[in-house]
Amino acid sequence: SAVISQKPSRDICQRGTSLTIQCQVDSQVTMMFWYRQQPGQSLTLIATANQGSEATYESGFVIDKFPISRPNLTFSTLTVSNMSPEDSSIYLCSVGRGRGTDTQYFGPGTRLTVL
Amino acid sequence: TQLLEQSPQFLSIQEGENLTVYCNSSSVFSSLQWYRQEPGEGPVLLVTVVTGGEVKKLKRLTFQFGDARKDSSLHITAAQTGDTGLYLCAGARADSNYQLIWGAGTKLIIKP
Repeated sequence: SAVISQKPSRDICQRGTSLTIQCQVDSQVTMMFWYRQQPGQSLTLIATANQGSEATYESGFVIDKFPISRPNLTFSTLTVSNMSPEDSSIYLCSVGRGRGTDTQYFGPGTRLTVL
Repeated sequence: TQLLEQSPQFLSIQEGENLTVYCNSSSVFSSLQWYRQEPGEGPVLLVTVVTGGEVKKLKRLTFQFGDARKDSSLHITAAQTGDTGLYLCAGARADSNYQLIWGAGTKLIIKP
Protein backbone atom coordinates (compact mmCIF):
# COMPACT_ATOMS: atom_id res chain seq x y z
CA SER A 1 0.00 0.00 0.00
CA ALA A 2 0.98 3.68 -0.01
CA VAL A 3 0.22 6.65 2.19
CA ILE A 4 -0.98 9.62 0.18
CA SER A 5 -1.59 13.15 1.36
CA GLN A 6 -3.29 15.99 -0.48
CA LYS A 7 -3.24 19.72 0.06
CA PRO A 8 -5.47 21.60 0.52
CA SER A 9 -8.18 19.36 1.96
CA ARG A 10 -10.80 21.88 0.93
CA ASP A 11 -11.03 25.35 -0.52
CA ILE A 12 -13.58 27.91 -1.57
CA CYS A 13 -12.50 29.91 -4.60
CA GLN A 14 -13.79 32.73 -6.70
CA ARG A 15 -14.78 32.30 -10.32
CA GLY A 16 -11.91 32.97 -12.74
CA THR A 17 -9.12 32.10 -10.32
CA SER A 18 -6.90 29.01 -10.31
CA LEU A 19 -6.12 26.47 -7.61
CA THR A 20 -3.20 24.07 -7.44
CA ILE A 21 -3.71 20.80 -5.58
CA GLN A 22 -0.69 18.92 -4.31
CA CYS A 23 -0.37 15.15 -3.94
CA GLN A 24 2.49 13.60 -1.95
CA VAL A 25 3.20 9.87 -1.67
CA ASP A 26 5.37 8.20 0.97
CA SER A 27 7.13 5.98 -1.56
CA GLN A 28 8.16 6.06 -5.19
CA VAL A 29 5.37 5.05 -7.55
CA THR A 30 5.17 4.63 -11.29
CA MET A 31 1.68 5.84 -11.98
CA MET A 32 -0.22 8.75 -10.47
CA PHE A 33 -3.78 9.54 -11.41
CA TRP A 34 -6.09 12.50 -10.95
CA TYR A 35 -9.83 11.98 -10.61
CA ARG A 36 -12.89 14.13 -10.15
CA GLN A 37 -15.87 13.00 -8.10
CA GLN A 38 -19.23 14.51 -7.29
CA PRO A 39 -20.22 13.65 -3.70
CA GLY A 40 -21.80 10.20 -3.50
CA GLN A 41 -21.03 9.40 -7.12
CA SER A 42 -18.41 7.46 -9.03
CA LEU A 43 -14.99 8.62 -10.14
CA THR A 44 -14.08 10.25 -13.45
CA LEU A 45 -10.45 10.02 -14.52
CA ILE A 46 -8.99 13.38 -15.53
CA ALA A 47 -5.48 12.35 -16.46
CA THR A 48 -2.58 10.03 -15.78
CA ALA A 49 0.66 11.65 -14.64
CA ASN A 50 3.90 9.89 -15.48
CA GLN A 51 7.24 11.12 -14.22
CA GLY A 52 9.39 12.58 -16.96
CA SER A 53 6.67 12.84 -19.59
CA GLU A 54 3.56 14.85 -20.29
CA ALA A 55 0.34 13.82 -18.63
CA THR A 56 -2.18 11.80 -20.61
CA TYR A 57 -5.63 13.38 -20.52
CA GLU A 58 -8.96 11.63 -20.86
CA SER A 59 -11.66 12.73 -23.25
CA GLY A 60 -13.25 15.96 -22.11
CA PHE A 61 -10.23 17.18 -20.17
CA VAL A 62 -7.51 19.42 -21.61
CA ILE A 63 -4.10 20.54 -20.47
CA ASP A 64 -4.94 24.24 -20.58
CA LYS A 65 -7.74 23.75 -18.07
CA PHE A 66 -6.05 21.10 -15.88
CA PRO A 67 -2.26 21.44 -16.14
CA ILE A 68 -0.42 18.69 -14.28
CA SER A 69 3.14 18.46 -13.06
CA ARG A 70 5.01 15.32 -12.04
CA PRO A 71 8.54 16.41 -11.10
CA ASN A 72 9.49 13.16 -9.35
CA LEU A 73 8.21 9.73 -8.37
CA THR A 74 6.57 10.88 -5.12
CA PHE A 75 4.85 14.15 -6.01
CA SER A 76 2.34 15.63 -8.45
CA THR A 77 0.20 18.72 -8.76
CA LEU A 78 -3.08 19.39 -10.53
CA THR A 79 -4.12 22.95 -11.29
CA VAL A 80 -7.74 23.82 -11.93
CA SER A 81 -7.51 26.94 -14.09
CA ASN A 82 -9.95 29.76 -14.73
CA MET A 83 -12.47 28.13 -12.44
CA SER A 84 -16.23 28.24 -12.81
CA PRO A 85 -18.94 26.86 -10.50
CA GLU A 86 -19.07 23.74 -12.70
CA ASP A 87 -15.58 22.88 -11.43
CA SER A 88 -16.92 22.46 -7.90
CA SER A 89 -16.15 18.87 -7.05
CA ILE A 90 -13.91 16.55 -5.08
CA TYR A 91 -10.50 16.05 -6.66
CA LEU A 92 -8.64 12.87 -5.80
CA CYS A 93 -5.16 11.68 -6.57
CA SER A 94 -4.30 8.01 -6.60
CA VAL A 95 -1.24 5.91 -7.24
CA GLY A 96 -0.67 2.57 -8.88
CA ARG A 97 2.27 0.33 -9.47
CA GLY A 98 1.60 -0.16 -13.18
CA ARG A 99 1.26 -3.92 -12.93
CA GLY A 100 -1.35 -6.12 -14.58
CA THR A 101 -3.50 -6.52 -11.47
CA ASP A 102 -3.26 -2.89 -10.76
CA THR A 103 -4.73 -1.66 -7.53
CA GLN A 104 -4.92 2.06 -6.89
CA TYR A 105 -4.50 3.77 -3.56
CA PHE A 106 -6.18 7.08 -2.96
CA GLY A 107 -5.49 10.30 -1.17
CA PRO A 108 -8.17 11.85 1.05
CA GLY A 109 -9.33 14.24 -1.67
CA THR A 110 -9.65 18.00 -2.06
CA ARG A 111 -13.15 19.42 -1.85
CA LEU A 112 -13.36 22.46 -4.11
CA THR A 113 -16.21 24.94 -4.12
CA VAL A 114 -16.23 27.67 -6.75
CA LEU A 115 -18.47 30.66 -6.15
CA THR B 1 -16.23 1.41 -24.62
CA GLN B 2 -16.01 -0.91 -21.65
CA LEU B 3 -18.79 -0.34 -19.16
CA LEU B 4 -19.10 -1.73 -15.67
CA GLU B 5 -22.70 -1.68 -14.53
CA GLN B 6 -23.09 -1.59 -10.77
CA SER B 7 -26.36 -2.23 -8.97
CA PRO B 8 -28.17 -1.22 -6.94
CA GLN B 9 -27.11 2.42 -6.90
CA PHE B 10 -28.77 2.98 -3.55
CA LEU B 11 -29.64 0.59 -0.73
CA SER B 12 -31.03 1.30 2.72
CA ILE B 13 -31.54 -1.68 5.04
CA GLN B 14 -31.83 -2.50 8.72
CA GLU B 15 -28.88 -3.63 10.76
CA GLY B 16 -28.61 -7.42 10.72
CA GLU B 17 -29.93 -7.90 7.20
CA ASN B 18 -27.92 -9.33 4.32
CA LEU B 19 -27.26 -7.62 1.00
CA THR B 20 -25.53 -8.15 -2.32
CA VAL B 21 -24.05 -5.59 -4.71
CA TYR B 22 -23.37 -6.55 -8.30
CA CYS B 23 -20.98 -5.36 -10.98
CA ASN B 24 -21.49 -6.65 -14.50
CA SER B 25 -19.83 -6.11 -17.83
CA SER B 26 -19.77 -7.63 -21.30
CA SER B 27 -16.00 -7.30 -21.30
CA VAL B 28 -13.28 -9.32 -19.62
CA PHE B 29 -11.18 -7.77 -16.88
CA SER B 30 -7.74 -8.87 -15.76
CA SER B 31 -8.73 -8.03 -12.19
CA LEU B 32 -11.48 -6.33 -10.28
CA GLN B 33 -11.23 -4.22 -7.16
CA TRP B 34 -13.81 -3.25 -4.57
CA TYR B 35 -13.46 -0.02 -2.63
CA ARG B 36 -15.40 1.61 0.19
CA GLN B 37 -15.51 5.36 0.60
CA GLU B 38 -16.76 7.36 3.54
CA PRO B 39 -17.64 11.07 3.39
CA GLY B 40 -14.59 13.31 3.35
CA GLU B 41 -12.20 10.49 2.55
CA GLY B 42 -10.78 8.81 -0.52
CA PRO B 43 -11.82 5.30 -1.57
CA VAL B 44 -10.17 2.56 0.47
CA LEU B 45 -9.36 -0.75 -1.16
CA LEU B 46 -11.27 -3.72 0.27
CA VAL B 47 -10.15 -6.50 -2.03
CA THR B 48 -8.70 -7.36 -5.44
CA VAL B 49 -9.91 -10.48 -7.24
CA VAL B 50 -7.86 -11.83 -10.09
CA THR B 51 -8.81 -15.42 -10.94
CA GLY B 52 -12.11 -16.39 -12.56
CA GLY B 53 -14.36 -18.02 -9.96
CA GLU B 54 -12.31 -16.64 -7.09
CA VAL B 55 -14.03 -16.07 -3.76
CA LYS B 56 -12.48 -13.89 -1.07
CA LYS B 57 -13.80 -13.27 2.41
CA LEU B 58 -13.13 -10.27 4.60
CA LYS B 59 -14.96 -10.90 7.90
CA ARG B 60 -18.65 -10.50 6.98
CA LEU B 61 -17.90 -9.45 3.40
CA THR B 62 -17.69 -12.05 0.62
CA PHE B 63 -16.37 -11.09 -2.80
CA GLN B 64 -16.76 -13.24 -5.89
CA PHE B 65 -15.25 -12.89 -9.35
CA GLY B 66 -17.24 -14.51 -12.15
CA ASP B 67 -15.83 -17.52 -13.95
CA ALA B 68 -15.47 -15.51 -17.16
CA ARG B 69 -14.00 -12.48 -15.30
CA LYS B 70 -16.81 -10.25 -16.55
CA ASP B 71 -18.73 -9.79 -13.32
CA SER B 72 -18.32 -9.63 -9.58
CA SER B 73 -20.43 -9.47 -6.47
CA LEU B 74 -20.06 -8.24 -2.92
CA HIS B 75 -22.20 -9.91 -0.28
CA ILE B 76 -22.46 -8.52 3.24
CA THR B 77 -23.83 -10.79 5.95
CA ALA B 78 -25.53 -9.32 9.02
CA ALA B 79 -24.86 -5.72 8.03
CA GLN B 80 -23.74 -3.28 10.71
CA THR B 81 -24.06 0.49 10.88
CA GLY B 82 -20.30 0.71 10.34
CA ASP B 83 -20.80 -0.78 6.86
CA THR B 84 -22.50 2.44 5.75
CA GLY B 85 -20.67 4.07 2.87
CA LEU B 86 -20.21 4.28 -0.88
CA TYR B 87 -19.07 1.00 -2.43
CA LEU B 88 -17.27 1.15 -5.75
CA CYS B 89 -16.17 -1.61 -8.07
CA ALA B 90 -13.41 -1.04 -10.60
CA GLY B 91 -12.17 -3.35 -13.32
CA ALA B 92 -8.66 -3.38 -14.72
CA ARG B 93 -8.78 -3.49 -18.49
CA ALA B 94 -7.28 -6.60 -20.02
CA ASP B 95 -5.50 -4.49 -22.66
CA SER B 96 -4.12 -1.87 -20.28
CA ASN B 97 -1.76 -2.24 -17.38
CA TYR B 98 -3.18 0.57 -15.31
CA GLN B 99 -6.48 2.07 -16.39
CA LEU B 100 -9.50 1.18 -14.26
CA ILE B 101 -13.13 1.14 -15.40
CA TRP B 102 -15.35 2.31 -12.56
CA GLY B 103 -18.85 1.27 -11.62
CA ALA B 104 -21.40 3.95 -10.75
CA GLY B 105 -21.17 3.17 -7.04
CA THR B 106 -23.63 1.83 -4.47
CA LYS B 107 -24.62 4.14 -1.67
CA LEU B 108 -25.31 1.86 1.29
CA ILE B 109 -27.07 2.99 4.45
CA ILE B 110 -27.43 0.62 7.38
CA LYS B 111 -30.07 1.77 9.82
CA PRO B 112 -29.77 0.89 13.51
